[in-house]
Amino acid sequence: DQQVKQNSPSLSVQEGRISILNCDYTNSMFDYFLWYKKYPAEGPTFLISISSIKDKNEDGRFTVFLNKSAKHLSLHIVPSQPGDSAVYFCAASLQGAQKLVFGQGTRLTINP
Amino acid sequence: GAVVSQHPSWVICKSGTSVKIECRSLDFQATTMFWYRQFPKQSLMLMATSNEGSKATYEQGVEKDKFLINHASLTLSTLTVTSAHPEDSSFYICSAQPDLAGLAGYDQETQYFGPGTRLLVL
Repeated sequence: DQQVKQNSPSLSVQEGRISILNCDYTNSMFDYFLWYKKYPAEGPTFLISISSIKDKNEDGRFTVFLNKSAKHLSLHIVPSQPGDSAVYFCAASLQGAQKLVFGQGTRLTINP
Repeated sequence: GAVVSQHPSWVICKSGTSVKIECRSLDFQATTMFWYRQFPKQSLMLMATSNEGSKATYEQGVEKDKFLINHASLTLSTLTVTSAHPEDSSFYICSAQPDLAGLAGYDQETQYFGPGTRLLVL
């Protein structure tokens, strides 16, 4: 049972444009969401998070949007840069549970 | 810079041997650490939650006698793959969650990951 889903295995975006990565979840009890970036043969690097009491969180070029009614979150990267090329994982957790449930990941490629 | 380290970064071993992987939090104390496994082109799967001072909590389907976890201190957790077999070949990643709320630069609700250890069992 895949509780966190990233339905797009890959995404290709031109440098300078906006990258939008999507994530859906099924468990309405999740109340904390995170995005991680991962390069091959490395551990994930934390990018940005959002609590379920918010619908938007912004940090520099990265913005995460949360739509609780649709059980959907998205990560916007603008402007996209070549160094953003990586696999992006969304993750969700239940308050106090600490455990993270990861999506399958989306490989983002930024083309010059 | 890295806030969580893992050692070794890669290891090749013969079938039947045991392999120990260390995970250290460098900038904060972590009562709780986590061990994940990632197979090629798949997501990170939580194996177990490592708790300092108590037994680890294993996820369903993970053999606790095969994957021994020892949380020796507030900055160190080890995962030992006992009697490794080729099917245990994978990328093992640990994460640590800071104990203290408001620790400068770190979020208590965020897990910070190590660089991973690639295990190949021949």
